[in-house]
Amino acid sequence: EVHVVESGGGLVQAGGSLRLSCAASGFTFSSDWMSWVRQAPGKGLEWVANIKQDGSEKYYVDSVKGRFTISRDNAKNSLYLQMNSLRAEDTAVYYCAKTGQSGSLDYWGQGTLVTVSS
Amino acid sequence: QSVLTQPPSVSAAPGQKVTISCSGSSSNIGSTYVSWYQQLPGTAPKLLIYENNKRPSGIPDRFSGSKSGTSATLGITGLQTGDEADYYCGTWDNSLSAYVFGTGTKVTAL
Repeated sequence: EVHVVESGGGLVQAGGSLRLSCAASGFTFSSDWMSWVRQAPGKGLEWVANIKQDGSEKYYVDSVKGRFTISRDNAKNSLYLQMNSLRAEDTAVYYCAKTGQSGSLDYWGQGTLVTVSS
Repeated sequence: QSVLTQPPSVSAAPGQKVTISCSGSSSNIGSTYVSWYQQLPGTAPKLLIYENNKRPSGIPDRFSGSKSGTSATLGITGLQTGDEADYYCGTWDNSLSAYVFGTGTKVTAL
């Protein structure tokens, strides 16, 4: 059974940094793209970034370019999101999602809450 | 601001049918597969439809998807109170080189 579990969220001051982790199991992690999606309180879903199987391609939403970095460690079946220069508007629940062959986000974690205080 | 537009809310009596539209452009819906996601209150989103009209294992056939040109539609027949949730369309946008979600639609069983 596929499982993805996020961790690393918490309270951080504006301008600070945080690193999210996602532990994957139940599938061949090195064979799939992976994504991060966030949801601000009471708002809709916003895709944040994704990364190719071998890490050679990465894409980001404009609002996080230059501040966030997505990475993965296939040996550890883990996905990461390094978040720097955090802003109040980055406050959200961050979800890790396995990306299927056709681009759909087919398995999601339970999310981890990031709160940026100004 | 999302590039995919959905109605804010739809409702129907239990047992009836609802449809949710998702309007995009040639750079997203018009050229890639559309997915639909269901988010029950207080839970993580779940994949409902992929590749425009396919259902993952375990999703009942009361849920259906279709695509025409730059628009997509999610249909729910035999609406149940357990279907009350937020629904989002999603697809890759080739111009933005980013995955985009719709604005979201809240479904209510009256």
